[in-house]
Amino acid sequence: QKEVEQDPGPLSVPEGAIVSLNCTYSNSAFQYFMWYRQYSRKGPELLMYTYSSGNKEDGRFTAQVDKSSKYISLFIRDSQPSDSATYLCAMSESSGGGADGLTFGKGTHLIIQP
Amino acid sequence: DGGITQSPKYLFRKEGQNVTLSCEQNLNHDAMYWYRQDPGQGLRLIYYSQIVNDFQKGDIAEGYSVSREKKESFPLTVTSAQKNPTAFYLCASSVPGHFVRQYFGPGTRLTVL
Repeated sequence: QKEVEQDPGPLSVPEGAIVSLNCTYSNSAFQYFMWYRQYSRKGPELLMYTYSSGNKEDGRFTAQVDKSSKYISLFIRDSQPSDSATYLCAMSESSGGGADGLTFGKGTHLIIQP
Repeated sequence: DGGITQSPKYLFRKEGQNVTLSCEQNLNHDAMYWYRQDPGQGLRLIYYSQIVNDFQKGDIAEGYSVSREKKESFPLTVTSAQKNPTAFYLCASSVPGHFVRQYFGPGTRLTVL
């Protein structure tokens, strides 16, 4: 089973707030977890990439993976209006390619109010 | 600048016509992918290619065809057999062995009239 669940939103928060975006999944074989940002009518852009459980930080962004709960999160600190976009989570069982590919969530539409 | 280009940005097709979407990359990536994105849906894999002259079907290959004659190019043909082709089509590429790190093009929006 390859389902990935993600709340589509929209999620609207004031500028400067901490944003929490989440995905849950059912396939315990997933090991690679990605977050993509997609602006309207554009291609997705890779934001964060993590392997297995734990945290990874990059500037204002923190990705968190809890494999025991099958739950991943993306935190955005000091949110800016330019962060307004759709955020897609994606997962994979392996890094080497193959028929499994990436399994994407449906995306959460985030709105940062100035 | 290295990147992925897709053309055209918008494409209109009459029912029963085949159309070809272009995808070119100058990132020197071996692996390339085609996804389809529908409103309220996640990206779904149509075809992927890990090397020139080789490609495999993804989850929703029916009604689509691809070729990979050059490393830089991975065109997608939407045939008349595709029953619901109106969608946003995204091309991506990655370095072999790191396919989870995919880099996407700007997309082509196909509308069937």
